[in-house]
Amino acid sequence: KAGVTQTPRYLIKTRGQQVTLSCSPISGHRSVSWYQQTPGQGLQFLFEYFSETQRNKGNFPGRFSGRQFSNSRSEMNVSTLELGDSALYLCASKSRSGFEAFFGQGTRLTVV
Amino acid sequence: TQLLEQSPQFLSIQEGENLTVYCNSSSVFSSLQWYRQEPGEGPVLLVTVVTGGEVKKLKRLTFQFGDARKDSSLHITAAQPGDTGLYLCAGVNSGGGADGLTFGKGTHLIIQP
Repeated sequence: KAGVTQTPRYLIKTRGQQVTLSCSPISGHRSVSWYQQTPGQGLQFLFEYFSETQRNKGNFPGRFSGRQFSNSRSEMNVSTLELGDSALYLCASKSRSGFEAFFGQGTRLTVV
Repeated sequence: TQLLEQSPQFLSIQEGENLTVYCNSSSVFSSLQWYRQEPGEGPVLLVTVVTGGEVKKLKRLTFQFGDARKDSSLHITAAQPGDTGLYLCAGVNSGGGADGLTFGKGTHLIIQP
């Protein structure tokens, strides 16, 4: 079955702009988590959605938000972009009973 | 805040050598996972260890979970260039439920032919 799909793969934005990233989980998976990966901080948890509800949130400012649709697809939005938001944003989906997180290839965001 | 410390941060060795990387925390996790990430890709799960003292083998890779479920190690025997990548450990905070994974910063491993 198809894996986790993230679009777009690459983005370049200007400071102050906003951006929306998309994630389609593995078919049947209802849990979607988002992570930010940077060389300095590594992988940091942003938030998790399950059945359209945010279940947990990491320690990120309110400029980072997300949502999940009824078909389990998820989007995350970053408003008022800062240079420090440049990172690889990874989405992962899990089955209800599984521990394993299946990651997409990520979206590489560059803020200039 | 639960933190996972991985060591070493970088490791470059010759093909055929053995190596061990470590993942340590002051917190207890219900289980711990190891992932490998290659450039341009997302992390891929290698193993999940659940029971304190558990040892799992995956071909040339041996994973161990500490008795107190606070630390783990990954041992690679006879490393090959295909083992090159970023190795990440991740703590699972609850029974696979609502909490996100807590990741270490990873060990960058380079196996030179």
